Amino acid sequence: KNEVEQSPQNLTAQEGEFITINCSYSVGISALHWLQQHPGGGIVSLFMLSSGKKKHGRLIATINIQEKHSSLHITASHPRDSAVYICAGIKAAGNKLTFGGGTRVLVKP
Amino acid sequence: GAGVSQSPSNKVTEKGKDVELRCDPISGHTALYWYRQRLGQGLEFLIYFQGNSAPDKSGLPSDRFSAERTGESVSTLTIQRTQQEDSAVYLCASGRQQETQYFGPGTRLLVL
Repeated sequence: KNEVEQSPQNLTAQEGEFITINCSYSVGISALHWLQQHPGGGIVSLFMLSSGKKKHGRLIATINIQEKHSSLHITASHPRDSAVYICAGIKAAGNKLTFGGGTRVLVKP
Repeated sequence: GAGVSQSPSNKVTEKGKDVELRCDPISGHTALYWYRQRLGQGLEFLIYFQGNSAPDKSGLPSDRFSAERTGESVSTLTIQRTQQEDSAVYLCASGRQQETQYFGPGTRLLVL
């Protein structure tokens, strides 16, 4: 079993819809990054969180430490949100990232 | 301010040749990471530098791979005797310990 599991693998939404991407992780991971990778390949770090909830614009990330689960929500989705969203865990020992498989999001106009 | 930069942006080499990839982190970032992403696959951790501590090399796939970093500045990732399976995008990221990582644009390596 992978240390970081994401779902769904692919997601298609209509513009304006609410999108949720889920991430489950294993024991030993102390914090999570949510990353966005656009078709050109560039990676942007959206959030790093170890507890609670963070919001930036239309993006919201939550984490439940007891359940070892995190979600990334996109409100009022837009075609420019189309990208691969990657959940990555940070191990308590050391800072290297362990990556989920990514969720390919396509938002249609 | 400048972000993380990497060079070259693209590199085509012949099997068996050595290649050197460079990463210039954001000034003041003590942590520097190298990752690899093969075509159609997810990201893989390669190596992590934190200040003057011994690097975490646990992700390096073989002894053909090595990396250096002097202090908190530039890092180079060297691949010796390249193989076709080394073809990938090599990404560098920097950050402050326990904080967000900032990714460079990557070096796209193609081994023919």
